[in-house]
Amino acid sequence: DIQMTQFPASLSASVGDRVTITCRASQGIKNSLAWFQQKPGKAPKSLIYAASTFHSGVPTTFSGSGSGTEFTLTISSLHPEDVGTYYCQQYMSYPYTFGQGTKLEIK
Amino acid sequence: QVLLVQSGREVKKPGASVKVSCKASGYTFSRYGISWVRQAPGQGLEWMGWISGKNGNAKYAQKFQGRVTLTTDTSSSTAYMEVRSLRSDDTAVYYCARMGYYSDTTGEYYPIDHWGQGTQVTVSS
Repeated sequence: DIQMTQFPASLSASVGDRVTITCRASQGIKNSLAWFQQKPGKAPKSLIYAASTFHSGVPTTFSGSGSGTEFTLTISSLHPEDVGTYYCQQYMSYPYTFGQGTKLEIK
Repeated sequence: QVLLVQSGREVKKPGASVKVSCKASGYTFSRYGISWVRQAPGQGLEWMGWISGKNGNAKYAQKFQGRVTLTTDTSSSTAYMEVRSLRSDDTAVYYCARMGYYSDTTGEYYPIDHWGQGTQVTVSS
């Protein structure tokens, strides 16, 4: 199975800050990577697929990059509503494994 | 708009089975697959498997092979997930999610694009 490692596990940042979350795959997955946002008590929401392509309605403050084994999700200017846990997932090969999540809080 | 509506919460005893439904609307059900993902209390997301809306072919994570069965009813645009021999560590929120599609020069890919609201399954004696 492909292992997905996210870091940091948690982070606290101020409104307006630039935030970066990293996801590393244990083997190359080309750009077959998705990012999801989950707010407390809610279902996840799809943000990005193919490492850098937005789903409709995703704020332009979000961006994704990377290929192969190293990927990043960046929030260019943190808003209070961005609080939640972020997960990456590879869909290159079965099982479609998730990272363990990054919990984002506001300072 | 795409909508996935799941069945309500369940409480089961160890050893029992549970079947969760996921009714799709807003798109042609047979053109997309459905993944199932679970989340134990305070834990991350765990992919369980997926089923084709077109032909009912399913793929399971090895951990769930033999104990989980995914099915579809195309006449009602509904996907089902059944878990047998429930244990306390199956207590979780179970999500269905539509698998989108895109292709490029390297192949065909199926990322999750829409999620159901989740179904709480509690296993307790």
